[in-house]
Amino acid sequence: QTVVTQEPSLTVSPGGTVTLTCASSTGAVTSGYYPNWFQQKPGQAPRALIYGTNNKHSWTPARFSGSLLGGKAALTLSGVEPEDEAEYSCLLYCGDAWVFGGGTKLTVL
Amino acid sequence: EVQLVESGGGLVQPGGSLRLSCAASGFIFSSYWMTWVRQAPGKGLEWVANIKSDGSAKSYVDSVRGRFTISRDNAKNSLNLQMNSLRADDTAVYYCARFDYGLGSYYIDYWGQGTLVTVSS
Repeated sequence: QTVVTQEPSLTVSPGGTVTLTCASSTGAVTSGYYPNWFQQKPGQAPRALIYGTNNKHSWTPARFSGSLLGGKAALTLSGVEPEDEAEYSCLLYCGDAWVFGGGTKLTVL
Repeated sequence: EVQLVESGGGLVQPGGSLRLSCAASGFIFSSYWMTWVRQAPGKGLEWVANIKSDGSAKSYVDSVRGRFTISRDNAKNSLNLQMNSLRADDTAVYYCARFDYGLGSYYIDYWGQGTLVTVSS
């Protein structure tokens, strides 16, 4: 089964910019993998942020953006705020199954 | 307001069965695919199963295929997950979520708060 890999952890300063990536063990991620991104804070359900590589939900803050970068799906946070400290997970469509990445713990410090 | 409320979680012995339900409101349930996602304690998210809006298509992650069955009752706005032959590694919080297609992509948008399933003797 396909393995989807994310950075285990990243640290960013308030006001800074950080990019999280999402790679597939089968090769380059394309739009056909329908990349989705989710944010999850401790004790809470996940919250959807991005779908279809770069589409935002109506509630997604403008500082979040999605893209394809070097064969991976990417989530960029620009002008990071303390409240952005959370776990971020990507989701890819891999053949006949959906696969989540292991998640990136983002620390704002 | 879209609401998804899971129920049915609890403690079950290995080899046992459990049926989860998800009550949906605030949207036209029969128009949307739905999905179950689980999260083992301290671990990442894992997609479990999808079901098409009319129930005619279903898909499962390999680890649950043949043991779990996803179903829905559009008249009752309800999504279900029948879990049989449960194993310790099925222990997780199970989330119900809305799954759909738009702007050229599939996506999950709304999530329930989850229900905890613990498989232990």
